[in-house]
Amino acid sequence: EAGVAQSPRYKIIEKRQSVAFWCNPISGHATLYWYQQILGQGPKLLIQFQNNGVVDDSQLPKDRFSAERLKGVDSTLKIQPAKLEDSAVYLCASSFQANTGELFFGEGSRLTVL
Amino acid sequence: EDQVTQSPEALRLQEGESSSLNCSYTVSGLRGLFWYRQDPGKGPEFLFTLYSAGEEKEKERLKATLTKKESFLHITAPKPEDSATYLCAVRVGNEKLTFGTGTRLTIIP
Repeated sequence: EAGVAQSPRYKIIEKRQSVAFWCNPISGHATLYWYQQILGQGPKLLIQFQNNGVVDDSQLPKDRFSAERLKGVDSTLKIQPAKLEDSAVYLCASSFQANTGELFFGEGSRLTVL
Repeated sequence: EDQVTQSPEALRLQEGESSSLNCSYTVSGLRGLFWYRQDPGKGPEFLFTLYSAGEEKEKERLKATLTKKESFLHITAPKPEDSATYLCAVRVGNEKLTFGTGTRLTIIP
């Protein structure tokens, strides 16, 4: 069974530039999550989708971050404009159902903002 | 505010030297405590789910236990391949998972 796919693995940008990350979850998983993991910290949920609807985006900085999950499968997370403090690993995860603690994570996209 | 605290931040053990990692939480209405393993450059990998005090789960050299205020991840006779960061997370009601900052475990051959 294929795991959660993410791209790109690494991205370096200047502050105020934009960046987009892509995620393809495990086939059949209705719930998709985007987490931000700053070095030395645990993952922090940015947004959770159930199919193509948003369940929780309370910690998403909506003035600069946006995410979509068209057709309830792939998802894209965008940051525009980026700030220095956005340097982190952006992890995508999926699960068969919501309200579970068993998430399957991708390898992450490491963002460096200079 | 719900809190999850892991200790120690880092732990170095000799191969075969058993020890425990701690995850303490201050939440009300716990609906599950979860342990994950994270290797460098990888996403977290699910290990265990614990739902109620007294519950225990085992997998190879790892055993997770749960009390009303904390969880322990016991590692018995560890091997170098057990080196990783171990994260715990809690769920309260239908809320999102809240992760701790992790314990970085190094097993020295």
